[in-house]
Amino acid sequence: AQSVTQLGSHVSVSEGALVLLRCNYSSSVPPYLFWYVQYPNQGLQLLLKYTTGATLVKGINGFEAEFKKSETSFHLTKPSAHMSDAAEYFCAVSNPGAGNMLTFGGGTRLMVKP
Amino acid sequence: DAGVTQSPTHLIKTRGQQVTLRCSPKSGHDTVSWYQQALGQGPQFIFQYYEEEERQRGNFPDRFSGHQFPNYSSELNVNALLLGDSALYLCASSLINGGTYEQYFGPGTRLTVT
Repeated sequence: AQSVTQLGSHVSVSEGALVLLRCNYSSSVPPYLFWYVQYPNQGLQLLLKYTTGATLVKGINGFEAEFKKSETSFHLTKPSAHMSDAAEYFCAVSNPGAGNMLTFGGGTRLMVKP
Repeated sequence: DAGVTQSPTHLIKTRGQQVTLRCSPKSGHDTVSWYQQALGQGPQFIFQYYEEEERQRGNFPDRFSGHQFPNYSSELNVNALLLGDSALYLCASSLINGGTYEQYFGPGTRLTVT
């Protein structure tokens, strides 16, 4: 069984400050890892993914995440927050070969203060 | 190139009624997955369809059923609606052998059960 834990249901940062959203997972096999963003009343948009290879992955809108196997973590970062980054962020894991079924964390709401 | 589309956008039903939600996958995709997102929570996997058959199923009762058509579009049916079925229902499409392991999400259908 897989599970995802996102530490902090709400994170508030000032515009221009570092964004750090935490994600830890458990999986019986090497997982594929994803970060999705959800704006109000919308579906999910993929920010970035890790499948194999380089453990630091870059995504859209200046976000990046690093897969750390020893820590079972996949934290999302952005050097400088913009007001437009305010949204709900979800970390998800899938088991390779399991049909891409995603297991999501509970989400982190990012608030950006002017 | 149209992305994933879902209909209707919003729906209000009464307890005990039945509902059908519809999804058209992204062009070129052959697999459709359905997720339930309760308010303030991460999406939960309901089931996945490929080649018109249910391929995987999450921890949802038999009241939840689905169908996939030859053109890859899909329906989600929920019988005997409960208040707890109120949620955003998300459809996601992917390519079973695409190698990118990405799921593309539609905007969702907001179901309210009164």
